Parts: sequence; C-alpha cells; structure tokens
Amino acid sequence: GENVGLHLPTLSVQEGDNSIINCAYSNSASDYFIWYKQESGKGPQFIIDIRSNMDKRQGQRVTVLLNKTVKHLSLQIAATQPGDSAVYFCAENAPEGGGYNKLIFGAGTRLAVHP
Amino acid sequence: ETGVTQSPTHLIKTRGQQVTLRCSSQSGHNTVSWYQQALGQGPQFIFQYYREEENGRGNFPPRFSGLQFPNYSSELNVNALELDDSALYLCASSLYGADEQFFGPGTRLTVL
Repeated sequence: GENVGLHLPTLSVQEGDNSIINCAYSNSASDYFIWYKQESGKGPQFIIDIRSNMDKRQGQRVTVLLNKTVKHLSLQIAATQPGDSAVYFCAENAPEGGGYNKLIFGAGTRLAVHP
Repeated sequence: ETGVTQSPTHLIKTRGQQVTLRCSSQSGHNTVSWYQQALGQGPQFIFQYYREEENGRGNFPPRFSGLQFPNYSSELNVNALELDDSALYLCASSLYGADEQFFGPGTRLTVL
C-alpha cells in the first residue's frame, strides 16, 4: 500500500488512552479548519471541522479545540483504538479572492496505537 | 451516493513524458480541486475547477493544467514530467462555495 508520512512526527499511545494531536496554522484570516485522517493507500478522510467563531467542537470520540490567539488547533481522540492508527492532518481554509476555497494542510502527525 | 473516484491507481512515467489523471466527483458536487502530496508531506493545492474553468491556482507551473467536463468530472494534465513530480495526486470534490472537500483515493505517479 501507500506509505504516507514516512518521516512525520509520531505520537505513540496505548490502546484505550486518550490522544492529543496538535497543529499550528499559518493564516490569521482562515475561517474554517478541518482534521483529516489518512491511512496507507487512501485519500484524506474527513474527521471533524470547526469554524473560526467557535473554540470547541465535539464529535463521536473526537474533539477539536481552536485557539485563534496563538493560531493553534488540536484534535483529541478519546479511548484510542488500533483502527485510529493513521496520519492526521489539520487543514485551514483561507478565503481567496474570486470565491474559491483552498485548503492549506499542515505537515501531519503519525498516530501509532499499541495494544 | 457515489464517492470521489480517481484513475488510474498507479502510473509510471519517464522524465519528459506527459500524463493525464482522471477524477469523477461525488454525486451532486460541481467543483473539483486537485492536490499534490509528496511523500511524507501534506497535500498542496494545485488548482480548482468550477463551471469548466480554472477558478483558482496554487504555486504550480503552467505545465500543470486541467479540464472539467459538463458532468463535473475532471482531468489533471502534467507536461514535461520531472522527477520531482513523483507524488500522490489527490482530487477533492465539493459544492461551489462550500468549505467541505471530499477526497478520492489518489493516483500514485512515479517519474523515472
């Protein structure tokens, strides 16, 4: 399969623990943020999103926190499972002239879940 | 509902050749964006197509070009391939003006 993120920072956790993945974004004008999960051989899969008028949003087992003051985003995964092992990317949507939306991706973090 | 599909899955070309990659957008979506993902990096925006026209472009040279068809499917063409063009090419579809983009599985291009 596809080897995604061979040289990315790795977060290793035990199954059942909570995971926190951090991301710094670049553009203070960005108004929408997304976390994607990418497994080997697959394209990025949407996990959760948040708009700039919020600072926290919860999904099923996942929570995204947004700190606009320091341009920081985090993804919290509760009760991490082996199936959560993947590379995680944050992406920001910076409004562009002409009405199009361009996603700017962070470098990514590999999450390794150990039984 | 059909998700985003891309073809081919893998492709090997030699330097100087030309390549065409294809993408079918998710049902109901009218906008297609293309991204290049080098090994170990996040995807980088190439361009976006809406109403069969390029609607925005990232920092890629003109030898990267595209098309969108009336059924919203799209092609990415790369001329004069270079070794550094080796990457996973991702297509994402969306509704025009919406923030959410949904990605296909990608095409792995290897340039020798």
